[in-house]
Amino acid sequence: DTGVSQDPRHKITKRGQNVTFRCDPISEHNRLYWYRQTLGQGPEFLTYFQNEAQLEKSRLLSDRFSAERPKGSFSTLEIQRTEQGDSAMYLCASSRGLRNTDTQYFGPGTRLTVL
Amino acid sequence: DAKTTQPNSMESNEEEPVHLPCNHSTISGTDYIHWYRQLPSQGPEYVIHGLTSNVNNRMASLAIAEDRKSSTLILHRATLRDAAVYYCILRDGDFGNEKLTFGTGTRLTIIP
Repeated sequence: DTGVSQDPRHKITKRGQNVTFRCDPISEHNRLYWYRQTLGQGPEFLTYFQNEAQLEKSRLLSDRFSAERPKGSFSTLEIQRTEQGDSAMYLCASSRGLRNTDTQYFGPGTRLTVL
Repeated sequence: DAKTTQPNSMESNEEEPVHLPCNHSTISGTDYIHWYRQLPSQGPEYVIHGLTSNVNNRMASLAIAEDRKSSTLILHRATLRDAAVYYCILRDGDFGNEKLTFGTGTRLTIIP
């Protein structure tokens, strides 16, 4: 069990550029979640997948954000035309998906800085 | 989702027990009480959860009030590695949303 991994750990970009983050969940975990965390706040839910199906998206996920999980394994989160307000820690989590209250296991996050 | 209320911060001496309170006066009968913590520069990690009875695991204990309107996370012997933000989260076991709804949590400082 290698845990949830995220890549890259840090990303610095200029406003207007596109960025893509990758998340590799714990193997055999059916559910995968994306959260965003700004300084001094708790993580906020963005979206989640059951296998390859995206089942819920937060209103925080504007049109510039898109997430995929093409084969039900790893997931990518893309932000187009980045804005300074997108600067945050992007966290990925996975769970077995057997019950609603299953433990979510988080990765270390990708810290995005938009200049 | 039912809301929880936690103190913004707490301090404790190393090797002393720590009691972290959480109020959830609007809790429903099917809500589980979950605790996660976030160590500096890391993602959150699960600590413990319970429904009605007190719970123990290798990390902590969870004491749940009889009316379930409050709970307390107990770290029996705090170490410097327990310095973190602790989040108390309610999750509906029957019809709960998949997402975790974090508040601002309690920032625990351990004094050597």
